[in-house]
Amino acid sequence: KAGVTQTPRYLIKTRGQQVTLSCSPISGHRSVSWYQQTPGQGLQFLFEYFSETQRNKGNFPGRFSGRQFSNSRSEMNVSTLELGDSALYLCASSLGGGPYGYTFGSGTRLTVV
Amino acid sequence: KQEVTQIPAALSVPEGENLVLNCSFTDSAIYNLQWFRQDPGKGLTSLLLIQSSQREQTSGRLNASLDKSSGRSTLYIAASQPGDSATYLCAVRRSGGGADGLTFGKGTHLIIQP
Repeated sequence: KAGVTQTPRYLIKTRGQQVTLSCSPISGHRSVSWYQQTPGQGLQFLFEYFSETQRNKGNFPGRFSGRQFSNSRSEMNVSTLELGDSALYLCASSLGGGPYGYTFGSGTRLTVV
Repeated sequence: KQEVTQIPAALSVPEGENLVLNCSFTDSAIYNLQWFRQDPGKGLTSLLLIQSSQREQTSGRLNASLDKSSGRSTLYIAASQPGDSATYLCAVRRSGGGADGLTFGKGTHLIIQP
């Protein structure tokens, strides 16, 4: 059974550019959520999608957005990149809400220069 | 707002020792608590998932307990091995409306000396 797949693994972008990250969940999982991990702040929740609808959103500026497609694959977009956006971005999939646990991907390491 | 604290922040022990990692959370309205390990530069690997109605879960040398009323969980690692060296994270999933995904602690950085 394939796990959660995130692409690309590494990205280097220039300040002011935009970036799109991709996540393919485990087959049958309809919930995809995104997290940002930095040394200073640890893991912080960005947003969660279920059946193409954003269900929850963390405390991040509007430059961070996402979407989910009918096949449950999800993309996360960051516009007007800032140096502080450099982080490991992790995607997690779940069967749905409530008691289900999460399975994480290997992450995308974004470096903004 | 849910807050999760993990103690200790770092731990270094000789191989073979049994050890306990601690996790506490401020809001007991949770669906479940999940323990993960993270190797440097990698994603998270799920170790154990404990539902709010459960007291403990076991997998191999790992045992996690949950006391929801006091807002505490412990991860017990028996007969530690160098391969157990990693950062261990606990996370809770809040229940109720407006739930905001998982809330993580800052982790315990564990080093097992050969």
